[in-house]
Amino acid sequence: EIVLTQSPATLSLSPGERATLSCRASQSISDYLAWYQQKPGQAPRLLIYDASTRATGIPARFSGSGAGTDFTLTINSLEPEDFAVYYCQQRISWPLITFGQGTRLEIK
Amino acid sequence: EVQVVESGGGLVQPGRSLRLSCAASGFTFEDYAIHWVRQAPGKGLEWVSGISWDGGSFGYADSVEGRFTISRDNAQNSVYLQMNSLRPEDTALYFCVKDKVVVTPAYFDFWGQGTLVTVSS
Repeated sequence: EIVLTQSPATLSLSPGERATLSCRASQSISDYLAWYQQKPGQAPRLLIYDASTRATGIPARFSGSGAGTDFTLTINSLEPEDFAVYYCQQRISWPLITFGQGTRLEIK
Repeated sequence: EVQVVESGGGLVQPGRSLRLSCAASGFTFEDYAIHWVRQAPGKGLEWVSGISWDGGSFGYADSVEGRFTISRDNAQNSVYLQMNSLRPEDTALYFCVKDKVVVTPAYFDFWGQGTLVTVSS
């Protein structure tokens, strides 16, 4: 099973700052990685897929990068609505798919 | 408008069974894989199972392998999750999720609101 490890577990920042979230895979997953945002009481929302492609309707301040085993989600100039939990997910090992454990982005 | 609606959750005793259903609309159902993802209270996301567009390929998380069975009926635009030998650790909100990519299981672009499964005596 491919394990995804996200860091940090919690990130405390202020609106207007830049957030950098990390996801590391236990083996190479090429660029078959997605990022999701989940707010309390809501279903997750797809932000980024294939490591760096923004999903429909996602603001340009969200960007993804990386390949192989190391991936980064960057959120430039944080807005109040960006504070949420973020998950990475890989699909290279279908029919087994895995998520990371999540990073909580909280207001400092 | 794409919609996926889960049903069938509830309170069940350990060791018993439950069948979840997912009804989809607003897209060409037979073109896409469908998945079940769960979230235990206060915990992260866990992919549970997924089934390809034609039902010919499917998979399960290690935690449910041998106990859960996924199936689909393209004529009814529906996916099912048969859950047997339920355990307290299966307690979670179960989301039905549409895949983003035609044919190839990949990413999750439309999520239902979830159906709650509680396993307790």
